[in-house]
Amino acid sequence: DAGVIQSPRHEVTEMGQEVTLRCKPISGHNSLFWYRQTMMRGLELLIYFNNNVPIDDSGMPEDRFSAKMPNASFSTLKIQPSEPRDSAVYFCASSLTSAGVIISSYNSPLHFGNGTRLTVT
Amino acid sequence: DQQVKQNSPSLSVQEGRISILNCDYTNSMFDYFLWYKKYPAEGPTFLISISSIKDKNEDGRFTVFLNKSAKHLSLHIVPSQPGDSAVYFCAASPQGAQKLVFGQGTRLTINP
Repeated sequence: DAGVIQSPRHEVTEMGQEVTLRCKPISGHNSLFWYRQTMMRGLELLIYFNNNVPIDDSGMPEDRFSAKMPNASFSTLKIQPSEPRDSAVYFCASSLTSAGVIISSYNSPLHFGNGTRLTVT
Repeated sequence: DQQVKQNSPSLSVQEGRISILNCDYTNSMFDYFLWYKKYPAEGPTFLISISSIKDKNEDGRFTVFLNKSAKHLSLHIVPSQPGDSAVYFCAASPQGAQKLVFGQGTRLTINP
């Protein structure tokens, strides 16, 4: 199992440019989450999908942020236009859910990718 | 509005001693709590969890305690080892919900 795969690992861009972050969830997982890590707020949930459908996007900071999940094996998070305050580490995570509940017990309920470190200058 | 709070940004502990990481939450609907561990340049990985019907869960050197009346949980690591140096995130989930709400994280450093 390759785990959750994110690309790119690092992204440096200038203010005003469009940025696209990519995520491939673990095969068979039906929920996908985008988190952002900052020093002040820790890990913030931006949006999550269940069976490719966006369920909760209340954490998306502004209209400049958008996310898509065209199929079960791919998701993108886009920032357009990017601003310096968007600089952070963005994590994608996936899980297996049933009846709206994360299947968990002693298994990991969320499996994270290694993140994309975004720097906007 | 931070529903899960880790008030200590960092903690330094001597190798072999006990490490205690603390977490407070405000939402009484939370009924499932977890700790994740994160090394530099990697994603968080699951460490241990506890359901609200319990007040303690133990897994080897790691024990999580839950005090529902105080809306407080803690992670005890004993004995602490150098490989435990990492950032630890507390997380909580409301009943029946899919998403996890995380705290700000605590950086634990184990000194030899």
